[in-house]
Amino acid sequence: ELKVEQNPLFLSMQEGKNYTIYCNYSTTSDRLYWYRQDPGKSLESLFVLLSNGAVKQEGRLMASLDTKARLSTLHITAAVHDLSATYFCAVDIFGIQGAQKLVFGQGTRLTINP
Amino acid sequence: DAGITQSPRHKVTETGTPVTLRCHQTENHRYMYWYRQDPGHGLRLIHYSYGVKDTDKGEVSDGYSVSRSKTEDFLLTLESATSSQTSVYFCAISEGIGGFYNEQFFGPGTRLTVL
Repeated sequence: ELKVEQNPLFLSMQEGKNYTIYCNYSTTSDRLYWYRQDPGKSLESLFVLLSNGAVKQEGRLMASLDTKARLSTLHITAAVHDLSATYFCAVDIFGIQGAQKLVFGQGTRLTINP
Repeated sequence: DAGITQSPRHKVTETGTPVTLRCHQTENHRYMYWYRQDPGHGLRLIHYSYGVKDTDKGEVSDGYSVSRSKTEDFLLTLESATSSQTSVYFCAISEGIGGFYNEQFFGPGTRLTVL
């Protein structure tokens, strides 16, 4: 059974600081996804990582994937208040006829204080 | 936003009553999924569909059934709602680009409370 674990689950940080969210998963996969969720809202796709060593960057967020270590990281650089949200990683496993079922981590609730 | 709507957006019901949630897409995507979101669990897959009339179980399918009679609609039914099914339900869709990966796009969610 595939398990996906994130840490930390809660993170409170100051604007301008750097921090990293970790996502570990238990079985081999080359595909990992990062989503953002604002309170009461839906999930917004941030990054799709498709191979070992993949690195994607968007603004102050950078995601990477190490399939050998079964680890993905989401790095936040010089945090700003607008990045406050809950961040989820997810790994997919194949379903029937190409369907890909996502297994999510528990989520990391990030609060950025002025 | 991907063309996904869910209805109703909020519902309060009583234990033992049947409930049907609807997901409607305008993207003509092949794959549709139902997830539930609970604190401390992230999202968990309930059922998914890989085509019209083609569905399969997910991680937490007990107490739920689904149907897909046309490409654009995927229905989730709780035959006899229980308090443990109080949750936020999300529908997702994906197309299947080259069969390698399917980026999933999520609907706005339905908040269901079972009293």
